[in-house]
Amino acid sequence: GESVGLHLPTLSVQEGDNSIINCAYSNSASDYFIWYKQESGKGPQFIIDIRSNMDKRQGQRVTVLLNKTVKHLSLQIAATQPGDSAVYFCAETPYNNNDMRFGAGTRLTVKP
Amino acid sequence: DAGITQSPRHKVTETGTPVTLRCHQTENHRYMYWYRQDPGHGLRLIHYSYGVKDTDKGEVSDGYSVSRSKTEDFLLTLESATSSQTSVYFCAISAQGTNEKLFFGSGTQLSVL
Repeated sequence: GESVGLHLPTLSVQEGDNSIINCAYSNSASDYFIWYKQESGKGPQFIIDIRSNMDKRQGQRVTVLLNKTVKHLSLQIAATQPGDSAVYFCAETPYNNNDMRFGAGTRLTVKP
Repeated sequence: DAGITQSPRHKVTETGTPVTLRCHQTENHRYMYWYRQDPGHGLRLIHYSYGVKDTDKGEVSDGYSVSRSKTEDFLLTLESATSSQTSVYFCAISAQGTNEKLFFGSGTQLSVL
């Protein structure tokens, strides 16, 4: 079956550096993509999203890139801070479908 | 957590007993979802609701049932709990389905012994 996956389960960066978290997806019918951040003991929190008619979207310190040719999604965090330490999930939804599928997550650790 | 309350926050139960988890929202959103989260699997959809009394199955619905008698409440029932249902359960809501962001509750940690 088709699934959402992640290249790396863990990522450790120095405070102030930029972070890049990658995600591969295999469902070519996916229309909507989203990144969530989950801190310990809490529910996932929305970070940024992108639709399939775009290839880049920027938020505050975060950028999502979508490469539909190779079915790849990435989250870039600029000037990573200790408060960014968390597990990050990508998720996808095929068009007109109510089943948002999540990747297994990447744990980001920010070293002071 | 966007006006979402899950109860209980923690529960320990025995195999074979019925368990009901509650999700309450104050956002008046149409769509409500139940996900379970297990190590290595991310979040997986159990059931969802697209309106009062309107529900449908998700990826991992076996052993679970749901009910939605009011817009604000979505109940998840494990008819006869098994150890494989030990997990963290998250409720999520959205106004327009999964083609927009979901807002998640804080989760319920369920342990089935």
